[in-house]
Amino acid sequence: QKEVEQDPGPLSVPEGAIVSLNCTYSNSAFQYFMWYRQYSRKGPELLMYTYSSGNKEDGRFTAQVDKSSKYISLFIRDSQPSDSATYLCAIPLGAAGNKLTFGGGTRVLVKP
Amino acid sequence: KAGVTQTPRYLIKTRGQQVTLSCSPISGHRSVSWYQQTPGQGLQFLFEYFSETQRNKGNFPGRFSGRQFSNSRSEMNVSTLELGDSALYLCASSLRTARNEQFFGPGTRLTVL
Repeated sequence: QKEVEQDPGPLSVPEGAIVSLNCTYSNSAFQYFMWYRQYSRKGPELLMYTYSSGNKEDGRFTAQVDKSSKYISLFIRDSQPSDSATYLCAIPLGAAGNKLTFGGGTRVLVKP
Repeated sequence: KAGVTQTPRYLIKTRGQQVTLSCSPISGHRSVSWYQQTPGQGLQFLFEYFSETQRNKGNFPGRFSGRQFSNSRSEMNVSTLELGDSALYLCASSLRTARNEQFFGPGTRLTVL
Protein backbone atom coordinates (compact mmCIF):
# COMPACT_ATOMS: atom_id res chain seq x y z
CA GLN A 1 0.00 0.00 0.00
CA LYS A 2 1.36 3.41 -0.94
CA GLU A 3 1.85 5.86 1.89
CA VAL A 4 -0.19 8.53 0.16
CA GLU A 5 -2.55 8.22 -2.78
CA GLN A 6 -4.15 10.84 -4.98
CA ASP A 7 -6.63 10.83 -7.83
CA PRO A 8 -4.64 11.74 -10.98
CA GLY A 9 -7.48 13.61 -12.66
CA PRO A 10 -7.43 15.56 -14.86
CA LEU A 11 -9.95 17.86 -13.26
CA SER A 12 -11.50 20.46 -15.54
CA VAL A 13 -13.55 23.29 -14.05
CA PRO A 14 -14.93 26.64 -15.28
CA GLU A 15 -13.35 29.83 -14.01
CA GLY A 16 -14.81 30.87 -10.67
CA ALA A 17 -15.69 27.34 -9.58
CA ILE A 18 -14.43 25.67 -6.42
CA VAL A 19 -11.70 23.10 -7.01
CA SER A 20 -11.67 20.17 -4.59
CA LEU A 21 -8.58 17.96 -4.37
CA ASN A 22 -8.10 14.94 -2.13
CA CYS A 23 -5.49 12.51 -0.88
CA THR A 24 -5.62 9.51 1.40
CA TYR A 25 -2.73 8.32 3.53
CA SER A 26 -1.95 4.99 5.10
CA ASN A 27 -0.35 5.67 8.48
CA SER A 28 -2.36 7.26 11.28
CA ALA A 29 0.92 8.41 12.87
CA PHE A 30 1.50 11.00 10.15
CA GLN A 31 1.07 14.46 11.60
CA TYR A 32 2.23 16.96 8.99
CA PHE A 33 0.74 17.41 5.56
CA MET A 34 1.68 19.62 2.66
CA TRP A 35 0.25 20.71 -0.67
CA TYR A 36 2.52 21.64 -3.55
CA ARG A 37 1.63 23.21 -6.88
CA GLN A 38 3.63 22.43 -10.01
CA TYR A 39 3.30 24.37 -13.23
CA SER A 40 4.41 22.78 -16.47
CA ARG A 41 8.18 22.73 -16.85
CA LYS A 42 8.72 24.06 -13.33
CA GLY A 43 9.61 22.57 -9.97
CA PRO A 44 6.91 22.19 -7.29
CA GLU A 45 6.25 25.10 -4.94
CA LEU A 46 4.79 24.83 -1.45
CA LEU A 47 1.20 26.08 -1.13
CA MET A 48 0.06 24.91 2.28
CA TYR A 49 1.60 23.23 5.31
CA THR A 50 -0.78 21.83 7.92
CA TYR A 51 -0.44 19.98 11.18
CA SER A 52 -2.93 17.60 12.78
CA SER A 53 -6.63 17.95 12.10
CA GLY A 54 -8.86 20.80 11.07
CA ASN A 55 -8.79 23.55 8.50
CA LYS A 56 -6.16 26.05 7.48
CA GLU A 57 -6.98 28.95 5.21
CA ASP A 58 -4.66 31.10 3.10
CA GLY A 59 -6.37 33.44 0.70
CA ARG A 60 -8.37 31.41 -1.79
CA PHE A 61 -6.82 28.15 -0.56
CA THR A 62 -8.11 25.97 2.29
CA ALA A 63 -6.38 22.81 3.46
CA GLN A 64 -8.34 20.31 5.49
CA VAL A 65 -7.14 17.28 7.44
CA ASP A 66 -9.44 14.53 8.68
CA LYS A 67 -7.23 12.25 10.75
CA SER A 68 -10.05 9.87 11.61
CA SER A 69 -10.47 9.06 7.93
CA LYS A 70 -6.81 9.61 6.99
CA TYR A 71 -7.97 12.05 4.38
CA ILE A 72 -6.53 15.42 3.36
CA SER A 73 -8.14 17.96 1.07
CA LEU A 74 -7.30 21.19 -0.69
CA PHE A 75 -10.00 23.59 -1.82
CA ILE A 76 -9.42 26.46 -4.22
CA ARG A 77 -12.17 29.09 -4.20
CA ASP A 78 -12.91 31.40 -7.10
CA SER A 79 -10.56 29.43 -9.33
CA GLN A 80 -8.61 31.29 -12.01
CA PRO A 81 -6.99 30.08 -15.24
CA SER A 82 -3.65 30.76 -13.53
CA ASP A 83 -4.54 27.97 -11.06
CA SER A 84 -4.17 25.45 -13.89
CA ALA A 85 -1.37 23.21 -12.70
CA THR A 86 -0.67 19.86 -11.08
CA TYR A 87 -1.34 19.74 -7.35
CA LEU A 88 0.55 17.28 -5.19
CA CYS A 89 -0.04 16.32 -1.62
CA ALA A 90 3.04 15.40 0.37
CA ILE A 91 3.97 14.01 3.75
CA PRO A 92 7.34 14.86 5.30
CA LEU A 93 9.06 11.72 6.59
CA GLY A 94 12.54 10.64 7.56
CA ALA A 95 15.16 12.58 9.47
CA ALA A 96 14.10 16.21 9.96
CA GLY A 97 11.09 15.54 7.75
CA ASN A 98 13.24 16.04 4.70
CA LYS A 99 12.10 12.91 2.92
CA LEU A 100 8.95 14.11 1.21
CA THR A 101 6.58 11.38 0.11
CA PHE A 102 4.27 12.63 -2.62
CA GLY A 103 0.91 11.61 -3.94
CA GLY A 104 0.76 11.07 -7.67
CA GLY A 105 -0.56 14.58 -8.33
CA THR A 106 -3.85 15.82 -9.75
CA ARG A 107 -3.80 17.86 -12.94
CA VAL A 108 -6.24 20.78 -12.79
CA LEU A 109 -7.45 22.83 -15.75
CA VAL A 110 -9.44 26.00 -15.11
CA LYS A 111 -11.20 27.10 -18.28
CA PRO A 112 -11.91 30.82 -18.85
CA LYS B 1 17.60 36.03 -3.41
CA ALA B 2 18.42 33.60 -6.17
CA GLY B 3 16.47 30.34 -6.22
CA VAL B 4 17.71 26.80 -6.59
CA THR B 5 19.60 26.34 -9.84
CA GLN B 6 20.17 23.10 -11.66
CA THR B 7 22.47 22.34 -14.55
CA PRO B 8 22.16 21.23 -17.20
CA ARG B 9 18.45 21.73 -17.87
CA TYR B 10 18.31 19.08 -20.58
CA LEU B 11 20.47 16.06 -21.22
CA ILE B 12 20.41 13.18 -23.69
CA LYS B 13 22.43 10.06 -22.99
CA THR B 14 22.53 6.50 -24.26
CA ARG B 15 22.11 3.30 -22.29
CA GLY B 16 25.16 2.28 -20.34
CA GLN B 17 26.57 5.77 -20.02
CA GLN B 18 26.81 7.69 -16.80
CA VAL B 19 25.61 11.18 -16.01
CA THR B 20 26.28 13.85 -13.39
CA LEU B 21 23.72 16.50 -12.51
CA SER B 22 24.46 19.60 -10.49
CA CYS B 23 22.42 21.61 -8.00
CA SER B 24 23.19 24.94 -6.33
CA PRO B 25 20.94 25.59 -3.31
CA ILE B 26 19.53 28.89 -2.14
CA SER B 27 22.18 30.87 -0.32
CA GLY B 28 22.26 29.82 3.33
CA HIS B 29 20.49 26.51 2.75
CA ARG B 30 22.65 23.59 3.77
CA SER B 31 20.26 20.75 3.00
CA VAL B 32 19.88 19.48 -0.54
CA SER B 33 17.45 16.74 -1.54
CA TRP B 34 17.07 15.01 -4.89
CA TYR B 35 13.88 13.64 -6.43
CA GLN B 36 13.02 11.75 -9.59
CA GLN B 37 9.76 12.55 -11.38
CA THR B 38 8.28 10.24 -14.03
CA PRO B 39 4.75 9.97 -15.45
CA GLY B 40 4.42 6.42 -14.14
CA GLN B 41 5.92 6.66 -10.66
CA GLY B 42 5.40 10.33 -9.90
CA LEU B 43 7.75 12.25 -7.64
CA GLN B 44 10.05 9.95 -5.70
CA PHE B 45 12.69 10.83 -3.14
CA LEU B 46 16.24 9.82 -3.95
CA PHE B 47 18.41 11.15 -1.11
CA GLU B 48 19.20 14.15 1.05
CA TYR B 49 22.55 15.68 1.94
CA PHE B 50 23.23 17.99 4.85
CA SER B 51 26.67 19.17 5.91
CA GLU B 52 28.24 16.95 3.25
CA THR B 53 26.66 13.79 4.74
CA GLN B 54 23.78 11.75 3.40
CA ARG B 55 20.96 12.03 5.94
CA ASN B 56 18.01 10.37 4.20
CA LYS B 57 17.87 7.77 1.48
CA GLY B 58 15.07 6.58 -0.81
CA ASN B 59 14.55 3.20 -2.43
CA PHE B 60 16.74 3.50 -5.48
CA PRO B 61 19.53 1.16 -6.63
CA GLY B 62 23.16 1.88 -5.91
CA ARG B 63 23.61 3.23 -9.46
CA PHE B 64 22.18 6.45 -8.06
CA SER B 65 24.62 8.29 -5.88
CA GLY B 66 25.24 11.80 -4.71
CA ARG B 67 27.55 14.05 -2.84
CA GLN B 68 27.64 17.49 -1.34
CA PHE B 69 30.47 19.95 -1.24
CA SER B 70 31.52 22.30 1.54
CA ASN B 71 29.69 25.19 -0.18
CA SER B 72 26.46 23.10 -0.03
CA ARG B 73 26.35 22.56 -3.77
CA SER B 74 25.38 19.01 -4.62
CA GLU B 75 25.81 16.58 -7.47
CA MET B 76 24.02 13.38 -8.24
CA ASN B 77 25.42 10.67 -10.45
CA VAL B 78 23.67 7.87 -12.26
CA SER B 79 25.89 5.12 -13.61
CA THR B 80 25.08 2.49 -16.24
CA LEU B 81 22.04 4.36 -17.46
CA GLU B 82 18.87 2.45 -18.29
CA LEU B 83 15.94 3.53 -20.44
CA GLY B 84 13.82 3.73 -17.30
CA ASP B 85 16.09 6.41 -15.87
CA SER B 86 14.57 8.92 -18.29
CA ALA B 87 12.94 11.43 -15.98
CA LEU B 88 12.89 14.92 -14.59
CA TYR B 89 15.41 15.13 -11.77
CA LEU B 90 14.55 17.77 -9.21
CA CYS B 91 16.72 19.23 -6.55
CA ALA B 92 15.33 20.97 -3.47
CA SER B 93 17.09 22.95 -0.77
CA SER B 94 16.03 23.83 2.75
CA LEU B 95 17.20 25.26 6.06
CA ARG B 96 16.38 21.93 7.74
CA THR B 97 14.47 23.53 10.60
CA ALA B 98 11.03 22.85 12.09
CA ARG B 99 8.21 23.43 9.57
CA ASN B 100 10.85 22.69 7.05
CA GLU B 101 10.01 24.03 3.59
CA GLN B 102 11.86 22.62 0.64
CA PHE B 103 12.38 24.93 -2.33
CA PHE B 104 12.62 23.17 -5.66
CA GLY B 105 14.70 23.99 -8.68
CA PRO B 106 13.37 23.74 -12.25
CA GLY B 107 14.84 20.28 -12.74
CA THR B 108 17.07 18.53 -15.25
CA ARG B 109 15.25 16.60 -17.97
CA LEU B 110 17.25 13.43 -18.69
CA THR B 111 16.47 11.34 -21.75
CA VAL B 112 18.12 7.96 -22.11
CA LEU B 113 18.13 6.49 -25.62
